[in-house]
Amino acid sequence: AQRVTQPEKLLSVFKGAPVELKCNYSYSGSPELFWYVQYSRQRLQLLLRHISRESIKGFTADLNKGETSFHLKKPFAQEEDSAMYYCALSGNTGFQKLVFGTGTRLLVSP
Amino acid sequence: GAGVSQTPSNKVTEKGKYVELRCDPISGHTALYWYRQSLGQGPEFLIYFQGTGAADDSGLPNDRFFAVRPEGSVSTLKIQRTERGDSAVYLCASSTNSRGEQFFGPGTRLTVL
Repeated sequence: AQRVTQPEKLLSVFKGAPVELKCNYSYSGSPELFWYVQYSRQRLQLLLRHISRESIKGFTADLNKGETSFHLKKPFAQEEDSAMYYCALSGNTGFQKLVFGTGTRLLVSP
Repeated sequence: GAGVSQTPSNKVTEKGKYVELRCDPISGHTALYWYRQSLGQGPEFLIYFQGTGAADDSGLPNDRFFAVRPEGSVSTLKIQRTERGDSAVYLCASSTNSRGEQFFGPGTRLTVL
């Protein structure tokens, strides 16, 4: 079965602190992994995907196939990072049928 | 340019009624997706269109749900005999192709009383 698990509903940190949003997955085969973000009163948007190996807004995520994890990290959180973050996966062939986790709300306090 | 738009933004209906939710994808995007997001959950896949055809409707919960995209652009999600459990935010996304980045609309919040 395809599943994405985000164990934390809420993560609260102070500005300048490191952030790690956890994501574990189960999938038969080689999935493609994504992080989506939804800022307050904005629509859901792609933050990064593992095949791009990019750092977006200071965030990085490494796919660990052994631990089936795709944790999102940022060394120094900013207040503008406060948002809802969703981890998602899809198969790496065919169309991009996204399976989402339940999301983690990140709150960065001054 | 204009992003994905969805209308209405909010829809309140009574149990048993019929509703239609509309999605206008980004111009030129051939791939179109519908998702449903219940309170406290992530979006759940409903149906995928490539052009005019529904290539995968495996996420539709039952036969009360149906979606069309007759001209390969605008799509309409139709729900018959609505139930209180259908209350959710219905999201539409479009993409240039089947593997491209999905761009989401603002969603339609459906409330069934």
